[in-house]
Amino acid sequence: DTGVSQDPRHKITKRGQNVTFRCDPISEHNRLYWYRQTLGQGPEFLTYFQNEAQLEKSRLLSDRFSAERPKGSFSTLEIQRTEQGDSAMYLCASSYYNEQFFGPGTRLTVL
Amino acid sequence: ELKVEQNPLFLSMQEGKNYTIYCNYSTTSDRLYWYRQDPGKSLESLFVLLSNGAVKQEGRLMASLDTKARLSTLHITAAVHDLSATYFCAVDKGDTGNQFYFGTGTSLTVIP
Repeated sequence: DTGVSQDPRHKITKRGQNVTFRCDPISEHNRLYWYRQTLGQGPEFLTYFQNEAQLEKSRLLSDRFSAERPKGSFSTLEIQRTEQGDSAMYLCASSYYNEQFFGPGTRLTVL
Repeated sequence: ELKVEQNPLFLSMQEGKNYTIYCNYSTTSDRLYWYRQDPGKSLESLFVLLSNGAVKQEGRLMASLDTKARLSTLHITAAVHDLSATYFCAVDKGDTGNQFYFGTGTSLTVIP
């Protein structure tokens, strides 16, 4: 499968725990994006990378959120000290030009 | 901040009918995208519109872009049940590295 992949697909955690999600983009894509989608809403942009450089992170929801893309390949999104309001679908997308291709998402539930 | 509004938010239509979904946005952009999302699934790219007057068609769906009016439309022709899904438009300001701003989505149900 040559599409965007995300792992895990589902994560249940207790409030206060840290979680990390992984995204593997389409191999030739140099841009990688993270979005959050809550029920009944459109995806909300969080951050993006061009190769290994994180070019926009001002829209990360709080300082509890951080992302990395070492070596410009896969990326991780970490949420520290999770809160119930963090429960959502976290989507990763990648692109080479304009069109973004989305992965299946990681559904996070914070108890 | 760029705002993207879709209407209607919910649409129930009978098979065989035609309808149009509208996407308005609040700032200048000439790049607009349409996506489809099935329940519990990720987003599937439908159309990429990159200039004023762009029109794309795929099967029973046709999308257009009017950058002067800041409006895109997604027209459904002779709807079939398989088109039931949520449709999102997304606008790219262009100066922010393809940072997409999504509309709230239109939930379409096609009734047999």
